[in-house]
Amino acid sequence: DAKTTQPNSMESNEEEPVHLPCNHSTISGTDYIHWYRQLPSQGPEYVIHGLTSNVNNRMASLAIAEDRKSSTLILHRATLRDAAVYYCILRDDPYALNFGKGTSLLVTP
Amino acid sequence: GAVVSQHPSRVICKSGTSVKIECRSLDFQATTMFWYRQFPKQSLMLMATSNEGSKATYEQGVEKDKFLINHASLTLSTLTVTSAHPEDSSFYICSARTGGFTNYGYTFGSGTRLTVV
Repeated sequence: DAKTTQPNSMESNEEEPVHLPCNHSTISGTDYIHWYRQLPSQGPEYVIHGLTSNVNNRMASLAIAEDRKSSTLILHRATLRDAAVYYCILRDDPYALNFGKGTSLLVTP
Repeated sequence: GAVVSQHPSRVICKSGTSVKIECRSLDFQATTMFWYRQFPKQSLMLMATSNEGSKATYEQGVEKDKFLINHASLTLSTLTVTSAHPEDSSFYICSARTGGFTNYGYTFGSGTRLTVV
């Protein structure tokens, strides 16, 4: 699997936007960029995924660089419930997701 | 959306006993399920991939005789930790793949906290 690099941790104020970066310089043309998050003592949950174009859903937005070597998950207004570990994962086939260390997001009131 | 139910959410067992964890897809058929293990402050580690009606494929370093996986139906996969020891204490998470080969997603159970005493 192509490798991703994420900051270990980030901090945000409540109700502020959060930009979570992910570098994936060895991404292949068929790799999808998946984002999952894991709240404390819970299983991971799907956030968003994309291939080339920017994507929006009710949870977040995914901005993908033109060369696809990096992407950014955008939470438009962070809430305390968004405090979690966010994982950026590349996958080009429907086999198991391989999780890296992710970014631990702390949201302060 | 697709829901995966995992039970129990937490279990305490004595060393040497066996524990079974169930993972059910509630509103879809899951031909493929995955089992992960997560130690404190660490990321998820894939243990095995199970396909309905066939033997599970284990990741390197995972003892297949210790972690028995059964995927006998399209909605149920079980993980049995046999002869559990304190070092098996961990957070176990199952996942099911949804969709087909080209348009797929993953849904995760809420995890099982196993403590072996």
